[in-house]
Amino acid sequence: GAVVSQHPSWVICKSGTSVKIECRSLDFQATTMFWYRQFPKQSLMLMATSNEGSKATYEQGVEKDKFLINHASLTLSTLTVTSAHPEDSSFYICSVYEESSYNEQFFGPGTRLTVL
Amino acid sequence: AQSVTQLDSQVPVFEEAPVELRCNYSSSVSVYLFWYVQYPNQGLQLLLKYLSGSTLVKGINGFEAEFNKSQTSFHLRKPSVHISDTAEYFCAVSFTGGGNKLTFGTGTQLKVEL
Repeated sequence: GAVVSQHPSWVICKSGTSVKIECRSLDFQATTMFWYRQFPKQSLMLMATSNEGSKATYEQGVEKDKFLINHASLTLSTLTVTSAHPEDSSFYICSVYEESSYNEQFFGPGTRLTVL
Repeated sequence: AQSVTQLDSQVPVFEEAPVELRCNYSSSVSVYLFWYVQYPNQGLQLLLKYLSGSTLVKGINGFEAEFNKSQTSFHLRKPSVHISDTAEYFCAVSFTGGGNKLTFGTGTQLKVEL
């Protein structure tokens, strides 16, 4: 299966700043990636579907202007949290969809964002 | 509407005892079913998946699950657990026509005790 990395693994920032999280597919060219957020002791909530070369598709209730997604290449998708606030503190996880693996998604290790 | 339910938020069990983690789903279309495990501060690792064919699916680390279409369930089982199995377990469903998206259950914390 696909190997997925995320950078950084954790980040602390001040309120009002922007933070960029990278998701890389190391051994597979991914046309589709997904971004999730996970609050402590809760499940994963899908934020958006990242499509290479086109605009991301956001889930209902997710602010596209606040969570900017760029899937500029087949191996890299970025999530930028703009003007971050403490309520944006969460665990952000990306995944790569590999059609050849029969609908399986391969997950990155996650990024812990803490906004002070 | 499609949904996934994990009724047990926490399951304590003694080491070497059997365990079953329950997962039920609601859907009017065909589904693909997955179980993932998450260790603290880590991403998700696939344990097993059901796409079609045999309803009994075997996965990694000695886990297995059985798809029951009439009961819309996909319960995860292990005959003898180990301390290292302590983790959060998520059931996830992909619904036909859902654009390959996964819908996750709320998770079950498996705590294995000596």
